[in-house]
Amino acid sequence: EVQLLESGGGLVQPGGSLRLSCAASGFTFSNYAMTWVRQAPGKGLEWVSSITTSGGNTYYADSVKGRFTISRDNSKNTLFLQMNNLRAEDTAIYYCANGGIVATVGYWGQGTPVTVSS
Amino acid sequence: QSVLTQPPSVSAAPGQKVTISCSGSGSNIGNNYLSWYRQLPGTAPKLLIYENNKRPSGIPDRFSASKSGTSATLGITGLQTGDEADYYCGTWDSSLSAGVFGGGTKLTVL
Repeated sequence: EVQLLESGGGLVQPGGSLRLSCAASGFTFSNYAMTWVRQAPGKGLEWVSSITTSGGNTYYADSVKGRFTISRDNSKNTLFLQMNNLRAEDTAIYYCANGGIVATVGYWGQGTPVTVSS
Repeated sequence: QSVLTQPPSVSAAPGQKVTISCSGSGSNIGNNYLSWYRQLPGTAPKLLIYENNKRPSGIPDRFSASKSGTSATLGITGLQTGDEADYYCGTWDSSLSAGVFGGGTKLTVL
């Protein structure tokens, strides 16, 4: 059974940083691109970032480019999202999902909430 | 403003059929596989359709989808109250080098 378990969310002040993690199991992690998607309160889905299988190529939404960094550790089946210089508009539930970059975004985690507020 | 365009809401009676449209452009729907997702209230999105018209294991054949050019349609037959949810289309945009989603469609089963 595929499982994606996000962690690291919480309350942070504007300008602060958070590092999200996503522990994957039930599939060969290193064979899949991985993706972060977020959903602001009461809003739709917003693609945030994707990373290739090896981590050699990364892609970002314009809204987070230069502030967020996606990475992965294939030896630990874990995906990361380093979020710096956070803004109020980054407040959302952040979902980890397998796939992306042309391939289907298939399985989703349950999400971790991030609140940016003073 | 989402790159993919969906109607904000649709509704139909139990047992009836409903369709949800998704419109894009040549760099996204026209050039890449499209997926559909369902998000029940308070839960994470779940894959309904992948590669334009394929159903993952466990998704009933009440759900179907098609794609033509830069548009796609999700169809749901035999509507049930449990189908009330938000539905999203999504794909990759080759020009933007970014993932894109529709704004979502809220399905109400009257």
